[in-house]
Amino acid sequence: EADIYQTPRYLVIGTGKKITLECSQTMGHDKMYWYQQDPGMELHLIHYSYGVNSTEKGDLSSESTVSRIRTEHFPLTLESARPSHTSQYLCASMSLGGAVRGYTFGSGTRLTVV
Amino acid sequence: ILNVEQSPQSLHVQEGDSTNFTCSFPSSNFYALHWYRWETAKSPEALFVMTLNGDEKKKGRISATLNTKEGYSYLYIKGSQPEDSATYLCAPNQAGTALIFGKGTTLSVSS
Repeated sequence: EADIYQTPRYLVIGTGKKITLECSQTMGHDKMYWYQQDPGMELHLIHYSYGVNSTEKGDLSSESTVSRIRTEHFPLTLESARPSHTSQYLCASMSLGGAVRGYTFGSGTRLTVV
Repeated sequence: ILNVEQSPQSLHVQEGDSTNFTCSFPSSNFYALHWYRWETAKSPEALFVMTLNGDEKKKGRISATLNTKEGYSYLYIKGSQPEDSATYLCAPNQAGTALIFGKGTTLSVSS
């Protein structure tokens, strides 16, 4: 049973549109992450947060932005979608004691920009 | 940025075969090493989180070892079954940082 939810699961959208990918978790985890994966490539960290009002950019440069107004919610926004944004986006969370249990991942959003 | 290497990139075995994969990572400032299993159309699932040099963990037919001094970890699957077919990801991190994932090893088990 998933405790971290991502919506939508699949999204096809036109160039120039603004989109928000939703990620919510019910576990009270402080740490949340967004990873991007292109086909055949590794997961790349694009954003992370260690708590409310705390957000940082990851190793992979991304034109997206994130917010963390509530512990359980970590949405990712693209102001103007482009075909280069076509990818799979995975959200994950971890408790402060996550050294034992690791990340919990959402099901992912597969985004196609046409 | 950590450089994480996983080998082989893909592997095809017969049901009942035992197999193993390698994960190599920089040994400096090591904090933890995670292994995940990612089945098609599902979310990555944590298998092991390892922190101590020489650590060995086991979950059913799957086990993993860790050498932090030389920067590698092995994942072993004994008696592979078709349901073991998945991509296996390793991800080390340094203290206070997020996980950096390798490209994974994709295992296919034929019955």
